[in-house]
Amino acid sequence: QQQVKQSPQSLIVQKGGISIINCAYENTAFDYFPWYQQFPGKGPALLIAIRPDVSEKKEGRFTISFNKSAKQFSLHIMDSQPGDSATYFCAAVAAGNKLTFGGGTRVLVKP
Amino acid sequence: AAGVIQSPRHLIKEKRETATLKCYPIPRHDTVYWYQQGPGQDPQFLISFYEKMQSDKGSIPDRFSAQQFSDYHSELNMSSLELGDSALYFCASSLDARAFFGQGTRLTVV
Repeated sequence: QQQVKQSPQSLIVQKGGISIINCAYENTAFDYFPWYQQFPGKGPALLIAIRPDVSEKKEGRFTISFNKSAKQFSLHIMDSQPGDSATYFCAAVAAGNKLTFGGGTRVLVKP
Repeated sequence: AAGVIQSPRHLIKEKRETATLKCYPIPRHDTVYWYQQGPGQDPQFLISFYEKMQSDKGSIPDRFSAQQFSDYHSELNMSSLELGDSALYFCASSLDARAFFGQGTRLTVV
């Protein structure tokens, strides 16, 4: 059973558009929610992360929105660029334990 | 800045052989994780170590074992390899909740 559910599985967006990826979780013990970006054949790279006491965090073109009551969080990629084409994973961590990943979203940004 | 170093980057083994993957965490990081990632799948947690002691165990086959040494490097030992073990194997290290991944070892079992 997937503890962190991620949608959509794939996403196509035009250059300059907004990419939105959503994740939902059940385990209320999760207290840290990172997003990773992965290019083919490479390791996941930490992109941005949030804790549940914050509703939004922005770093450059990347924004996380967090809804604690709904147990949902999302990644928005503003002004999407072809170089953003990658697989994005949301993840959740409980008290310094292992990362539990969502299923991943393959994003393709068309020029 | 130093990153997580994994070796080898690529490994080809025959069925029933043994493989050893190595991981050198970021200096001063106290936790090491091992993940397995199949094609088109999310990384699956195998095992972790905190301060050289096993701290958590995931869906790791009994044929696999791992340890963390006094210099904090970690090794994943895989025996009686099966075709289904072909995957990318990632090591990650962390000091706080932020985990940083290595570039992975691509294991191909033929």
